[in-house]
Amino acid sequence: RKEVEQDPGPFNVPEGATVAFNCTYSNSASQSFFWYRQDCRKEPKLLMSVYSSGNEDGRFTAQLNRASQYISLLIRDSKLSDSATYLCVVNMRWNSGGSNYKLTFGKGTLLTVNP
Amino acid sequence: DGGITQSPKYLFRKEGQNVTLSCEQNLNHDAMYWYRQDPGQGLRLIYYSQIVNDFQKGDIAEGYSVSREKKESFPLTVTSAQKNPTAFYLCASTDRGGSNQPQHFGDGTRLSIL
Repeated sequence: RKEVEQDPGPFNVPEGATVAFNCTYSNSASQSFFWYRQDCRKEPKLLMSVYSSGNEDGRFTAQLNRASQYISLLIRDSKLSDSATYLCVVNMRWNSGGSNYKLTFGKGTLLTVNP
Repeated sequence: DGGITQSPKYLFRKEGQNVTLSCEQNLNHDAMYWYRQDPGQGLRLIYYSQIVNDFQKGDIAEGYSVSREKKESFPLTVTSAQKNPTAFYLCASTDRGGSNQPQHFGDGTRLSIL
């Protein structure tokens, strides 16, 4: 099982649609979780952290299921400006017993919102 | 404005040449990271540093070297030993390396072979 696996996509949706991204991770000891957004030929930018109880930021809702090792991102009422690649990112301890953490990135899912 | 600055934006390497990518941050962050991104791939960790004068290898350190002589600077050298250096290189930082904090990225350097 890959460390972080996302829907391969791409997703093409009309403006106003609701779109969901799914992500699974292999390491049950993973500590924290994020969704990043990456525009074409740009750096990734933090979209939101994912908390155990689920969290919402405007049109974006993130959920975490630790038992299933599953993370999701829901975008409601999608806008043209939401078109980007969405990266699922998991932070896990780098070495057993150590204090180093590393981010592991999924390959990303490309979203295109069409007018 | 506080942030992470990478330079140059584009870089070309000749056969057998070493090149150095710059990464500077004025966020007063302790930890800094270098990643490589290939088309259609996730980011892969090259090297990271949690504190000045200390750094650790990541998943794909072969053919790369780093230094961390100052808190704000973490340059990456792509050596001639790196046979496939063409990629998008991203530098990131976070306030404490041993934490669960998200990382913030510079705007990247695109390296190509001449």
